[in-house]
Amino acid sequence: QQQVKQSPQSLIVQKGGISIINCAYENTAFDYFPWYQQFPGKGPALLIAIRPDVSEKKEGRFTISFNKSAKQFSLHIMDSQPGDSATYFCAASLHSGNTPLVFGKGTRLSVIA
Amino acid sequence: DAGVTQSPTHLIKTRGQQVTLRCSPKSGHDTVSWYQQALGQGPQFIFQYYEEEERQRGNFPDRFSGHQFPNYSSELNVNALLLGDSALYLCASSFPRGGTDTQYFGPGTRLTVL
Repeated sequence: QQQVKQSPQSLIVQKGGISIINCAYENTAFDYFPWYQQFPGKGPALLIAIRPDVSEKKEGRFTISFNKSAKQFSLHIMDSQPGDSATYFCAASLHSGNTPLVFGKGTRLSVIA
Repeated sequence: DAGVTQSPTHLIKTRGQQVTLRCSPKSGHDTVSWYQQALGQGPQFIFQYYEEEERQRGNFPDRFSGHQFPNYSSELNVNALLLGDSALYLCASSFPRGGTDTQYFGPGTRLTVL
């Protein structure tokens, strides 16, 4: 049973465009939702994270939008750059940092010039 | 400040063998979690160690075991290797008592089972 569903599987965006990746979760007890960026041959690196008490969080060109009633959250990458080309994973976990992260299957983003 | 480090980087084993992977957490972190990432998939939680004890475990067989040392470093052991164990094994460290939920990942160990 997949608890976090991520879409699309792959995404191609023009340089300067907006990249949007969506995730849906099932467990209403989840209360921490991070996004990780992974380059080939590297481990995932935390990009941005949100808790359900806010509907949006922005850090630079990266924004998380959160819809608690729909049990959905999304990552928006504004002004996408070729250097953003990577695989992005959404994840969710229960309260506190010592609970396991449940990951989506990932989205491979390619930003083309 | 060194991040999470893992060794070795790559490893090739044959079916039936045993393997040990190592992880040193980020400075100040006392909790280590291990994840398995199959090709083209998201990481899957194996288990977590805190205060030298396994605290939580994912849906992995007993062939997967681990250990945490007093300096918070950790080992992942896999016995009786199967072809399906080929994956990137990731270690993540955290410091939950510090009030943060962030788990920091190492670069991983790529295990290939032939």
